[in-house]
Amino acid sequence: EAQVTQNPRYLITVTGKKLTVTCSQNMNHEYMSWYRQDPGLGLRQIYYSMNVEVTDKGDVPEGYKVSRKEKRNFPLILESPSPNQTSLYFCASSLRTGGVSEAFFGQGTRLTVV
Amino acid sequence: DQQVKQNSPSLSVQEGRISILNCDYTNSMFDYFLWYKKYPAEGPTFLISISSIKDKNEDGRFTVFLNKSAKHLSLHIVPSQPGDSAVYFCAASVGWTLNFGKGTSLLVTP
Repeated sequence: EAQVTQNPRYLITVTGKKLTVTCSQNMNHEYMSWYRQDPGLGLRQIYYSMNVEVTDKGDVPEGYKVSRKEKRNFPLILESPSPNQTSLYFCASSLRTGGVSEAFFGQGTRLTVV
Repeated sequence: DQQVKQNSPSLSVQEGRISILNCDYTNSMFDYFLWYKKYPAEGPTFLISISSIKDKNEDGRFTVFLNKSAKHLSLHIVPSQPGDSAVYFCAASVGWTLNFGKGTSLLVTP
């Protein structure tokens, strides 16, 4: 079954404690991205990756890092989480290489930073 | 600065009627537009898309219309069903970026 898998689904952490949210896709997609969803703001792109070792900033990259060492994995790293990073996070992957086509989304990770 | 705008946070429609969800955009470089549907506690799922070279795309009960001169697109759902109740996100793409609107919550009542 084609899917994007995020882990964990729920996470409560304390300010400053480094964390990683994993994302894996089994569709051999080249394009992967991370979004955060906040009330009244919709989905905002954090980072995206066009292929292995190729990443770029989205609209709200501050406080986040990503890496793309393998095609299937695209982890989101919060080196020093802060309460304003409390949000619902989605990973997505997409096939089209010349741009963005129909993206498949993971089920989301609800992060709370206290 | 929001480049994709969904100005109606919510919409309520009776079952069997037409649902029309609207979306406006500001960037004339967008070349691909998509609609996503999202249920609570799930990730968004792709619904329908349209290239900027077209003005209409239809898939079953769902039709997307694009008016490039007005920088406006709309999603029509006919007939609406209670299972269509969800949040609908409009998205627009240029290059490698995908910009989402804030979403419209659709409620289809029996």
